[in-house]
Amino acid sequence: GENVEQHPSTLSVQEGDSAVIKCTYSDSASNYFPWYKQELGKRPQLIIDIRSNVGEKKDQRIAVTLNKTAKHFSLHITETQPEDSAVYFCAAHRRFGAGTTVTVRA
Amino acid sequence: EPEVTQTPSHQVTQMGQEVILRCVPISNHLYFYWYRQILGQKVEFLVSFYNNEISEKSEIFDDQFSVERPDGSNFTLKIRSTKLEDSAMYFCASSEDRRNTEAFFGQGTRLTVV
Repeated sequence: GENVEQHPSTLSVQEGDSAVIKCTYSDSASNYFPWYKQELGKRPQLIIDIRSNVGEKKDQRIAVTLNKTAKHFSLHITETQPEDSAVYFCAAHRRFGAGTTVTVRA
Repeated sequence: EPEVTQTPSHQVTQMGQEVILRCVPISNHLYFYWYRQILGQKVEFLVSFYNNEISEKSEIFDDQFSVERPDGSNFTLKIRSTKLEDSAMYFCASSEDRRNTEAFFGQGTRLTVV
């Protein structure tokens, strides 16, 4: 089955700095790559997604890049704010990465 | 906005008992999923369901688990003989297609086995 690796497992950044999370996947047939944000005790919420026909997608402070040849994709959060603190999951072929706990220090 | 609904929100059961977790997917969606998340850990894929049959399942989804779509709206996960290690949050999700569109998640059922 699909294997999704996510790094780092934890990330602490100063408010205003950028955060980058990286994922790799194994199934070359995967075409859809979502990123989810999960706050404590809540469901995963989609924050951005990308399909394999584009290399980059941006939505305000959040961007995702995809390198289909290398089978990796990344989440970039710029100008981080305290409310960005959460667990972030990447996914491919409906399988989730292990998650990254992001802490934004005020 | 349509959403996936799950009941109950919290279920406490004794070890060895059977539990049924219920989900109502979004009405025009064709693919349904169950995921499990043990506290503080990753979201683990259990099973996907399409056209009234299982389309994929993980190694976690062993003989103690089963899924069913008993009518036109509900999608259920049954755990036959619960174990302590089944304690987790169980999320149902649905999507329009198999892998190329967003999967919408329900709010989850917290299962506690005592």
